[in-house]
Amino acid sequence: GESVGLHLPTLSVQEGDNSIINCAYSNSASDYFIWYKQESGKGPQFIIDIRSNMDKRQGQRVTVLLNKTVKHLSLQIAATQPGDSAVYFCAEKRWGGGNKLTFGTGTQLKVEL
Amino acid sequence: KAGVTQTPRYLIKTRGQQVTLSCSPISGHRSVSWYQQTPGQGLQFLFEYFSETQRNKGNFPGRFSGRQFSNSRSEMNVSTLELGDSALYLCASSTGRLIDKLFFGEGSRLTVL
Repeated sequence: GESVGLHLPTLSVQEGDNSIINCAYSNSASDYFIWYKQESGKGPQFIIDIRSNMDKRQGQRVTVLLNKTVKHLSLQIAATQPGDSAVYFCAEKRWGGGNKLTFGTGTQLKVEL
Repeated sequence: KAGVTQTPRYLIKTRGQQVTLSCSPISGHRSVSWYQQTPGQGLQFLFEYFSETQRNKGNFPGRFSGRQFSNSRSEMNVSTLELGDSALYLCASSTGRLIDKLFFGEGSRLTVL
């Protein structure tokens, strides 16, 4: 039968505001988490990563927070710019799984001028 | 440093045919992973090759296969194409260390008619 497209959550923010994108993961054995940004027609682009023994990591304009108690990951983007408009995916990996990433469904970020 | 290169970028096939996709990883990277991206299923792991050996495999039928050459370049093959194989096939390159970033190519867009 015809496949139904995934319903992507959408986050709309004003240019200059901060964005927070959330992700819930299911595997408590996951050891490593990555955020990717995917623009239309392109492959996923690495943004930031975090290991399970950390709860926060900062990059340029981005911060990832990890709460292992509730299995929740968030990506914060400061001073959101039009170029940040894209789909954002969280991905998880666990020891022994090689480079097998399990991706979330993604969040569409729309930056309004 | 050149990024991950995938060829061809676009291709159209008919049901029952087979297709071979190619991926050249970042120089020095020994791990190549393949992912399928569709609107219905999102990003799904196909398999990973490291030093010419398949290290991990996802839940795809045997029609999907791959290999890696001594120069780390990888190919994936899909035989007896079905309409549902229409997707963006993404290749990801990494050093192969368990905690390491994966860098994606732009993908090969396959349409099966």
